[in-house]
Amino acid sequence: QQPVQSPQAVILREGEDAVINCSSSKALYSVHWYRQKHGEAPVFLMILLKGGEQKGHEKISASFNEKKQQSSLYLTASQLSYSGTYFCGTEDSFNKFYFGSGTKLNVKP
Amino acid sequence: DAGVIQSPRHEVTEMGQEVTLRCKPISGHNSLFWYRQTMMRGLELLIYFNNNVPIDDSGMPEDRFSAKMPNASFSTLKIQPSEPRDSAVYFCASSGLTDTQYFGPGTRLTVL
Repeated sequence: QQPVQSPQAVILREGEDAVINCSSSKALYSVHWYRQKHGEAPVFLMILLKGGEQKGHEKISASFNEKKQQSSLYLTASQLSYSGTYFCGTEDSFNKFYFGSGTKLNVKP
Repeated sequence: DAGVIQSPRHEVTEMGQEVTLRCKPISGHNSLFWYRQTMMRGLELLIYFNNNVPIDDSGMPEDRFSAKMPNASFSTLKIQPSEPRDSAVYFCASSGLTDTQYFGPGTRLTVL
């Protein structure tokens, strides 16, 4: 089951914060976050495992709520380089992988 | 490390022709994934291998699609016969012990 991401798009000014949510209808083993810039391949940001979370970058962090089957990505003091489409990827207990439909983030000067 | 290598980077073919996409995963990685990305459908997992064995091919659209992984350093995705609706960017990704997937640059396929 494809996870649901929200919002679908965000426009920010440099320095503003954003939160991107990812929720699943199934119990999750792990959640991955990726960023994809136009015309490029997705690039790994971080992985959150059941029973814990990992902080991938200084100003980009994430949480994983196992009970609610959802994860949130936090972008703090956004920079122009943060622009792109953010995908969450989920893995369930049967090792099935699904990607969300993506959240387009546009950071303006 | 060279990362995941895909070839060709671009492929333009005519409907009905056979298309073969190639992928070399990162050395030491034991899982390999084939994805398709379109504007309409987003990122779709087609098939993934673990230790060269296909684990989940439920995402393969139909019998026209087939994938092989004859050894740990090479995989192919074949479409025969190709159709215009197969036009997409096809990504290969590999992962090791940490489950982090590293994507190749993709192959942009256009079927006329």
